[in-house]
Amino acid sequence: EDKVVQSPLSLVVHEGDTVTLNCSYEVTNFRSLLWYKQEKKAPTFLFMLTSSGIEKKSGRLSSILDKKELFSILNITATQTGDSAVYLCAVFGFNKFYFGSGTKLNVKP
Amino acid sequence: GAVVSQHPSWVICKSGTSVKIECRSLDFQATTMFWYRQFPKQSLMLMATSNEGSKATYEQGVEKDKFLINHASLTLSTLTVTSAHPEDSSFYICSALADRESYNEQFFGPGTRLTVL
Repeated sequence: EDKVVQSPLSLVVHEGDTVTLNCSYEVTNFRSLLWYKQEKKAPTFLFMLTSSGIEKKSGRLSSILDKKELFSILNITATQTGDSAVYLCAVFGFNKFYFGSGTKLNVKP
Repeated sequence: GAVVSQHPSWVICKSGTSVKIECRSLDFQATTMFWYRQFPKQSLMLMATSNEGSKATYEQGVEKDKFLINHASLTLSTLTVTSAHPEDSSFYICSALADRESYNEQFFGPGTRLTVL
């Protein structure tokens, strides 16, 4: 059965900490893996990964994909309270999206 | 975890026809469901919030007469694209909210790819 599993489900850190969010998947006909940040109802796109080992970076956020071990990580360095959100991982397979349940990140001042 | 299904997963239609997409929560009740459209560069645009037993709330810029939403039961919401045109071609994704207080309890469907010829 195709699935995407994110861990941890919930995380509380203090400002300045570095966090690593995990996304593992079992999806046939893998095409791409996407990370979203959801603060309100509509997720905001962060990264799309298609190739193993190539880090994508945007400011304090970075992500990498391992297609052999079937996982991706999202790193956030020097966290800020504005990073508090639910982070969603989604894998696009053959014409279908598989969303993880999300990791809820709470960054305390 | 909770499962949300969409039907159909892929539809091709002629310009001017209407297409209905179903979103079902399979093992939980959802008083609130959301409809998104995916644009190039993977961004998800919220189209509307579907509430069981009441009218949907549309986001600014979304034509409610073109995108008809019906949430007739606690497990089913439908989106009908009326008089579809090629520019309506897109992925349409729904999600269902299991817990009103936390968006961590939002479960997404697999999406429906609409291609209008």
